[in-house]
Formats: sequence, structure tokens, C-alpha cells
Amino acid sequence: DGGITQSPKYLFRKEGQNVTLSCEQNLNHDAMYWYRQDPGQGLRLIYYSQIVNDFQKGDIAEGYSVSREKKESFPLTVTSAQKNPTAFYLCASRVQSPLGGYTFGSGTRLTVV
Amino acid sequence: AQSVTQLDSQVPVFEEAPVELRCNYSSSVSVYLFWYVQYPNQGLQLLLKYLSGSTLVKGINGFEAEFNKSQTSFHLRKPSVHISDTAEYFCAVSAMNSGGYQKVTFGIGTKLQVIP
Repeated sequence: DGGITQSPKYLFRKEGQNVTLSCEQNLNHDAMYWYRQDPGQGLRLIYYSQIVNDFQKGDIAEGYSVSREKKESFPLTVTSAQKNPTAFYLCASRVQSPLGGYTFGSGTRLTVV
Repeated sequence: AQSVTQLDSQVPVFEEAPVELRCNYSSSVSVYLFWYVQYPNQGLQLLLKYLSGSTLVKGINGFEAEFNKSQTSFHLRKPSVHISDTAEYFCAVSAMNSGGYQKVTFGIGTKLQVIP
């Protein structure tokens, strides 16, 4: 079955460390997205990519970086510059047309210890 | 700019009772509207969507929503809820921004708690 795989499901980071969250999809979707979810704040867009080798900042890109070297993969790096990284991170994809809506991964919960 | 308002952060309802989760939006251009459901520690799953045509949209798990352009609303309803409907529900609006990109904005979510 096609879908989006996020790994790991839980991740613990020490302050000052960079960590990378994995997102892989086999849906042949062109566009991929990273969202951050905090209680009571809904979903906030970090980065998005509409085609390979191209990506754009979302609303809260500071302290994060991404790459899109393959259509199937869109990893997110949470850098030490992100001052409050503890959150639930969701990866999503869709065809370029908005008509289909998003397909989401099951998320990665990042905790700074 | 577009925005989405979910008027209730939590909605408790007894099992087998009807429920309505409210969503209002604002946008200066035409929109597409979506409802997603999220179970604990999982990603979001598409419940239903309004693109065009009939204003009453039916989705999965017995949910439906009605698009009301004059009131800029897209409320989600279910005539009889089940314990398994306990989850968080997100309304989302998609609209073309000035850069030619379909920007999606999510509401802050409504937690539906079904009481046995």
C-alpha cells in the first residue's frame, strides 16, 4: 500500500544537537510538506517542496533545514538554532493539484532533554 | 490572507447523540475546504472535502459537512456519534496566494470527546 513513512516515531535530543527526521513516500506525489504541531496551536508550516531540488520556507522555518534530492524523500533537520524544538512533527504530501488533499505520515515526537 | 476559526476547542457529547463541530474561514479568493481527523499520536486523515458543486459533502465514518458561502462556514456534523469518534478534528482552507501557490491554513483543532 502506498503511504508516507516517518521515522523515528520518538526522538530525544540533547540541547545543542542537530537531529534529522526522516520522511519517505511511495505515492508518486510531487509536493511534500513539514508541519509542526503544538497543543492549542494547530499545524504550522515549516518548509515545503513542490519539485525535486527545490523547496520554500513556510511560516516558521527558522532553526530548520530541509533537502529534496529525491522525489520520494524530504528529510527535516532540526538545528541547534531552533530554541524550542519539542513538538510533534508531521510530514505530508499531495499531488500538485489541491483537489486531493494531503496524505500525512504518522508523525515524529521530538523531545529535548 | 486567509484564516480559519474553529470556535470550540473541546466538544463533549454523549454516545449516539448528534454533534456539530464549527468552522469559519476568511479569504478574499475562492477556496477549497477540508476536514481532517487525528487520533492520538497519529497523523491526520482526510475526512471530507469541498471543491465545488453541491454544498453538502459526505465523508468517511458517517460525517458530513455543509459549505455556506454567505456565512463563510463549513461545519462538520454527524447524526449519531460512537466512542471511536473520539479524536481531534481540524478544519483547513486552501486558497491561491499572491505567488500562485495553493496555501493551506489549518484551524487549531476541536477535540471531540464521546461519553459512554
